[in-house]
Amino acid sequence: LAKTTQPISMDSYEGQEVNITCSHNNIATNDYITWYQQFPSQGPRFIIQGYKTKVTNEVASLFIPADRKSSTLSLPRVSLSDTAVYYCLVGDITYFGNEKLTFGTGTRLTIIP
Amino acid sequence: GAGVSQSPSNKVTEKGKDVELRCDPISGHTALYWYRQSLGQGLEFLIYFQGNSAPDKSGLPSDRFSAERTGGSVSTLTIQRTQQEDSAVYLCASSLFPYEQYFGPGTRLTVT
Repeated sequence: LAKTTQPISMDSYEGQEVNITCSHNNIATNDYITWYQQFPSQGPRFIIQGYKTKVTNEVASLFIPADRKSSTLSLPRVSLSDTAVYYCLVGDITYFGNEKLTFGTGTRLTIIP
Repeated sequence: GAGVSQSPSNKVTEKGKDVELRCDPISGHTALYWYRQSLGQGLEFLIYFQGNSAPDKSGLPSDRFSAERTGGSVSTLTIQRTQQEDSAVYLCASSLFPYEQYFGPGTRLTVT
């Protein structure tokens, strides 16, 4: 499984766009990039997943450059409820039985009023 | 529909006792996972089920830990002779391969 590196913590003000970057220099050809969000005392929740270029859903956007050695989760116009820990994961989800998730310590995002 | 449920939500036990943690996955989800999360840490994979079989038990920390799944649905994680280092939140997730995993609220285990 590819090792990921992301900032330990970030602060942002309400209404701002927040970008969290994850490095994964040894990403493999079949690896996908997935982001999860975790609030205190809850299990993680899937946010977004991508393989290359850009993916957007109702919650966030995921930008992946051509070399795929990094990815950026973008949260538009954050609110206080976006305060959480965000995990970047990289792995081959196409390989049956290999989709167990390896979480790092994540990025603790704090939104300031 | 209902999400993943886990019981109990909290469990306090004395060192040396056995505990059973239960997970009810989302109906129809074939894959089920157990993870452990210590305070302030990321998730640690324990075991994965596809149907009733467990092709990957590589994350179980010792032979005191075991898990089973019956009827392709409910799963039980059993910890025998609990130790203080077993204290953590135990999270269960289910999915329809190869899609995203849906997590339950977890069971907070405290071993005194």
